[in-house]
Amino acid sequence: QVQLKESGPGLVQPSQTLSLTCTVSGFSLTSYNVHWVRQPPGKGLEWMGVIWSGGNTDYNSALKPRLSISRDTSKSQVFLTMNSLQTEDTGIYYCNRNGFAYWGQGTLVTVSS
Amino acid sequence: DIQMTQSPSSLPASLGDRVTITCRASQDIGNYLRWFQQKPGKSPRLMIYGATNLANGVPSRFSGSRSGSDYSLTINSLESEDMAIYYCLQHNEYPYTFGAGTKLELK
Repeated sequence: QVQLKESGPGLVQPSQTLSLTCTVSGFSLTSYNVHWVRQPPGKGLEWMGVIWSGGNTDYNSALKPRLSISRDTSKSQVFLTMNSLQTEDTGIYYCNRNGFAYWGQGTLVTVSS
Repeated sequence: DIQMTQSPSSLPASLGDRVTITCRASQDIGNYLRWFQQKPGKSPRLMIYGATNLANGVPSRFSGSRSGSDYSLTINSLESEDMAIYYCLQHNEYPYTFGAGTKLELK
């Protein structure tokens, strides 16, 4: 069955770089796009970006200068990298498959010194 | 970027009520509109796709409709398990954008 699971450091210091991994199973990254969505504590959802099945990417214009999404198809993993983190980047980060019917459980990222 | 204006932000309702949540798109998005339900501590759940189509496993008391640039999610005969936050999402063009959310709660 289709599954996605996010993993990451949990705590990141301000101004540092965040690196998250989304490990998928039950489908191929070369057949489906994978999106990243985040949610600050107690707030709404924000679409961050996508890596297409063909490997191209699109990003939220507000995050584009700091954000990069890549993948390793052999490992069925998608990577999110975002630099210059600030406290407002604190939240739950989700990956999901194209269509948004399948989501990971999310991983909490706290930006704090 | 396309703005999705969602209303109301909070919706007190009683069990058995019929409720409607609306999103207005700032530009044409066709039927590229999805609705999600999110409960505390959980990932969002897809409820409606293509503005009017029920996702797998979603109860038939949920429905989606469109009138021009206004998209609505209606729940008939509200049940306790429906208490959650609902979000719309436009996926007509990048960047995709969510509505701000509607918290459905018991009156």
